[in-house]
Amino acid sequence: DQQVKQNSPSLSVQEGRISILNCDYTNSMFDYFLWYKKYPAEGPTFLISISSIKDKNEDGRFTVFLNKSAKHLSLHIVPSQPGDSAVYFCAASSYNAGNMLTFGGGTRLMVKP
Amino acid sequence: DTGVSQDPRHKITKRGQNVTFRCDPISEHNRLYWYRQTLGQGPEFLTYFQNEAQLEKSRLLSDRFSAERPKGSFSTLEIQRTEQGDSAMYLCASVRGSQETQYFGPGTRLLVL
Repeated sequence: DQQVKQNSPSLSVQEGRISILNCDYTNSMFDYFLWYKKYPAEGPTFLISISSIKDKNEDGRFTVFLNKSAKHLSLHIVPSQPGDSAVYFCAASSYNAGNMLTFGGGTRLMVKP
Repeated sequence: DTGVSQDPRHKITKRGQNVTFRCDPISEHNRLYWYRQTLGQGPEFLTYFQNEAQLEKSRLLSDRFSAERPKGSFSTLEIQRTEQGDSAMYLCASVRGSQETQYFGPGTRLLVL
């Protein structure tokens, strides 16, 4: 039972345009959501997070949107840069369940110059 | 902060051997998590510690796996009688206090021949 899903295994975007990565979850107990970026042979690098009491959080070029009723979150990267090319994972946690992270399967983003 | 460190970065072993991995969390981070990532998948939770207490273990953590955090600082993850299915990236993450963002180390890549 996959509680966090990223339905697009890959996404290709032109440099300077917007990248939109999507994530769906099923567990309504999740109250904190995060996006991580990962390069091969490295650990995940934290990008941005959002609490369930908010619907938007912004940090520079990265914005995360949360739609609780739809159990959907998205990461927007504007403008996209070639250095953004990596695998992006969304993750969710519940404070009452020890905050262990449940990850989606990842989306490989390729930003073309 | 010097970041989460893991040792070794790579380990190749023969089936049936025991292996031990070490994780040093960010200083003053009282919670430490272990995850496992196989090719093409997102990381999966294994276990976590609050200080020296192991508070949760995933059903993925079979009897051949044991984790310790004896002094509430570094942690070790041991796999006994390794199997080829244990081949994966083992990731460690740490969190400070009541915060919710987990910061990951570079991981230990295990290959069981």
